[in-house]
Amino acid sequence: GQNIDQPTEMTATEGAIVQINCTYQTSGFNGLFWYQQHAGEAPTFLSYNVLDGLEEKGRFSSFLSRSKGYSYLLLKELQMKDSASYLCAPDYSGGYQKVTFGTGTKLQVIP
Amino acid sequence: NAGVTQTPKFRVLKTGQSMTLLCAQDMNHEYMYWYRQDPGMGLRLIHYSVGEGTTAKGEVPDGYNVSRLKKQNFLLGLESAAPSQTSVYFCASSYGGGYEQFFGPGTRLTVL
Repeated sequence: GQNIDQPTEMTATEGAIVQINCTYQTSGFNGLFWYQQHAGEAPTFLSYNVLDGLEEKGRFSSFLSRSKGYSYLLLKELQMKDSASYLCAPDYSGGYQKVTFGTGTKLQVIP
Repeated sequence: NAGVTQTPKFRVLKTGQSMTLLCAQDMNHEYMYWYRQDPGMGLRLIHYSVGEGTTAKGEVPDGYNVSRLKKQNFLLGLESAAPSQTSVYFCASSYGGGYEQFFGPGTRLTVL
C-alpha cells in the first residue's frame, strides 16, 4: 500500500465538531479523496482535494497539505446519521486513476 | 438513472465452484473497478479497466479474472472459489482519472 494512516475509531457527541486525520506517502501523489461508508452500504464520495488548503462543503470540510502528506476531514454540527466509516483515499494516478483506500475511521456519534 | 448495479447481491459457494459477478453502469464511464472489502483491510483493488476491451491487474488479482466486452459492463470471475475469497465485493466506475468513483451496492460472497 501507500502507508495510509488514519485512526481506527473515534467517538464524538451530537452537535460537536470532529476532525479525522490522515497521513499518506507523498511520492507520486496527485490528490486525495474522502469517502463516507455507512455500515453495510457502499462508499459515497465526499470530497477531492488537489490544492493545499481547506475546502468547505456544507457541514463537511477537507484540508490538504501536499508537502506534509497530511489531510483531515472536519465534520461540524454532528448528527446521528454521521455515524459511519470515513475512508481516506490518496490518488496516485499516472496513466490511470490509482486510488488507494485507507482502512477507514469508524466514527460513532453519541447523544 | 440506476447508477452502478451489481448482480447478485448475495451468494454462497462451495470450495472449487465457479461464478461470475456482473457490474453494470449507465453513466457512460470509461473506468471501472472491482474491489474486495474485508474487516480491517479496507478496500483493495482486484482488477480495473480504463475502457472497453481493456483490463489490468490491481493489488490482489490472484484467483480472479475480468472482462470488459461492453463499455457499460464489467464482469468478475472466480474460476475455483476458495474460503479466502469470502468477502464483500464492490464494483465502481468513474469518468476518468482524478474523478470520483461511484460504487455499486456490493455483493456479499461466502465460500464454504
